[in-house]
Amino acid sequence: AQSVTQLGSHVSVSEGALVLLRCNYSSSVPPYLFWYVQYPNQGLQLLLKYTSAATLVKGINGFEAEFKKSETSFHLTKPSAHMSDAAEYFCAVTRGPANSGYSTLTFGKGTMLLVSP
Amino acid sequence: DAGVTQSPTHLIKTRGQQVTLRCSPISGHKSVSWYQQVLGQGPQFIFQYYEKEERGRGNFPDRFSARQFPNYSSELNVNALLLGDSALYLCASSFREQGYNEQFFGPGTRLTVL
Repeated sequence: AQSVTQLGSHVSVSEGALVLLRCNYSSSVPPYLFWYVQYPNQGLQLLLKYTSAATLVKGINGFEAEFKKSETSFHLTKPSAHMSDAAEYFCAVTRGPANSGYSTLTFGKGTMLLVSP
Repeated sequence: DAGVTQSPTHLIKTRGQQVTLRCSPISGHKSVSWYQQVLGQGPQFIFQYYEKEERGRGNFPDRFSARQFPNYSSELNVNALLLGDSALYLCASSFREQGYNEQFFGPGTRLTVL
């Protein structure tokens, strides 16, 4: 079974400050990990994904995440927040290389990022 | 290129009614998945279809059913609607069904059950 825990339902930062959104996963097999962003009244957009290649993954809009197996973490960071980054962010896990079947995503509960001027 | 499309965008139903939601995947994608997103929660997996066959089913009652057509579009049906079925229903498509394939999400159908 897989699960994802996102620490903090809301994170507030000032424009220009570091963004850090936390994600810890639980998986019985090597995972694939994803970060998605959801703007109000929209679907989900993929920010970045880890699929067992480089542990530091760079995504769109200046975001990056580092896979740390020893900590079972996949935290999302951005050096400098922009007002347009205000949205809800979801971490998700699916079975990785050992997966011989379908690719259902298990999502965390989400973290709302608030950016103040 | 068109992304994943879903219809309708919004829907209001009353308890006990039935509803059908529709999804068209990205051209060339053969896998379609359905997710339910209740307000304030992350999406929860309902079904995955690949090449018109059900490949996976989440922990949802039998009131929920789906199918995939030869053109890879999909429908999600929910019978005997309950208030708790009110949610955003998301459709996602991917080229194949394996985990490394990115899932592209549509804008969702907002279902309100009164």
